[in-house]
Order: sequence, then C-alpha cells, then structure tokens
Amino acid sequence: GDSVTQMEGPVTLSEEAFLTINCTYTATGYPSLFWYVQYPGEGLQLLLKATKADDKGSNKGFEATYRKETTSFHLEKGSVQVSDSAVYFCALSDRGSGGYNKLIFGAGTRLAVHP
Amino acid sequence: GAGVSQSPRYKVAKRGQDVALRCDPISGHVSLFWYQQALGQGPEFLTYFQNEAQLDKSGLPSDRFFAERPEGSVSTLKIQRTQQEDSAVYLCASSIRTSGRGLYNEQFFGPGTRLTVL
Repeated sequence: GDSVTQMEGPVTLSEEAFLTINCTYTATGYPSLFWYVQYPGEGLQLLLKATKADDKGSNKGFEATYRKETTSFHLEKGSVQVSDSAVYFCALSDRGSGGYNKLIFGAGTRLAVHP
Repeated sequence: GAGVSQSPRYKVAKRGQDVALRCDPISGHVSLFWYQQALGQGPEFLTYFQNEAQLDKSGLPSDRFFAERPEGSVSTLKIQRTQQEDSAVYLCASSIRTSGRGLYNEQFFGPGTRLTVL
C-alpha cells in the first residue's frame, strides 16, 4: 500500500541555519503531497501542499517540490527561527479516493532550533 | 471557537473499561475523519464520515472500536474493553467536501485526546 518515509529526528539547528527534512513516498496512483506541522501543545496544521509533479508548495519561508522521478517531497527553509521548533509530518493523499482524501503520514521529524 | 474541538483532552482508563471520545467539527464541514497517533509515530487513519454516513471504517483496528456521527455534526469514537495497546492520541479532523476528483479539501485537525490505558 501507499506509504511515506521521512528522515528520523531530532534535527537540532542553530538559528538562521539551513533546514532540509527528507521525505520519500510510495504510491500506486497520483497522490497529492503535504507537509503538516505540530507545534507544542497544538493540533496539526497544514504547512504546504503540492498536487501534481513539479509543483512547488511554499508557506512561511518553507518550500517543497513534488519530484515524481525520485518520489520525493523534501522540506527546506533557508533560515530557521526558534519559533520553527516543532514536529513536521510529511503526508500523501490519493486523489482517487472517491471524493475524500484519506491522509497517510510519515513518522514525523522533530526540529529543535536554538538561539 | 472556530476550530475543531475534542474532549476530553486527556483520559486515563483502566484496562477493560469503555471510553468515549468526542469531536466537534467546524460548523458546516461535511467530512469528518478520525486518526490514531501512537507515541513517536505519525497519525494513522481510522474512519471517515460524510455527514452522518460512515463511508470508510477500514482503519479501525478491531471490533472494539466504534464511531458514530448520528446528526452529521458531532462525532463520538468509542472504544470498548480498552487494552494497553489502545494508548495513543486520537485526532479528529474535518473538511468541507466539494465534488469532483482531483480537489484537495484541507483537513483541519483538533488538538486530540490523549488516552492512557493502565
């Protein structure tokens, strides 16, 4: 079945460092891809999405490009802030799900940014 | 509030007890999802409702798990005879469903209910 694999954490960075969190997927159809973020004590929030190959999702300085040839959707940010400390989840949704989008998540990567 | 709410936020149960977890979706949202998130893992799909109809329950791990949404708004996830392996955070999400393939309707998540079975 469909699955998502993302790099294990925790990832620890200094403020203003460059961030990459790797994500690869396996899917039989043509999934949409997402990054969700979970800040401490809060619910999951959609960070960005891409619905077809070569699309780039972006939000709050984060970017990820849907790479069908490598089945990847790596999350990047050029300069992280302490406020970016959170758990990041890569997820996919098969557009062939009959009108609703069941999400399949990776295990999550915890990011800790220090001043 | 305007978001998805869940109650209780924390629940401790003794093994064998029944529990009921409540989800209040965003008003007017047709779709409602339940996910289970074990410690250190990503959420895993449990079940899906479109209004009051349960269209997909393929993720429910056993017949001890039961979900309902009788009036197409509030939903309850019930776990009978809880076991230690049921300990997890249970997440509810809702979305506005529009027709047509290829459209993604953002799922808005609640804060979750953390269930601990002793």
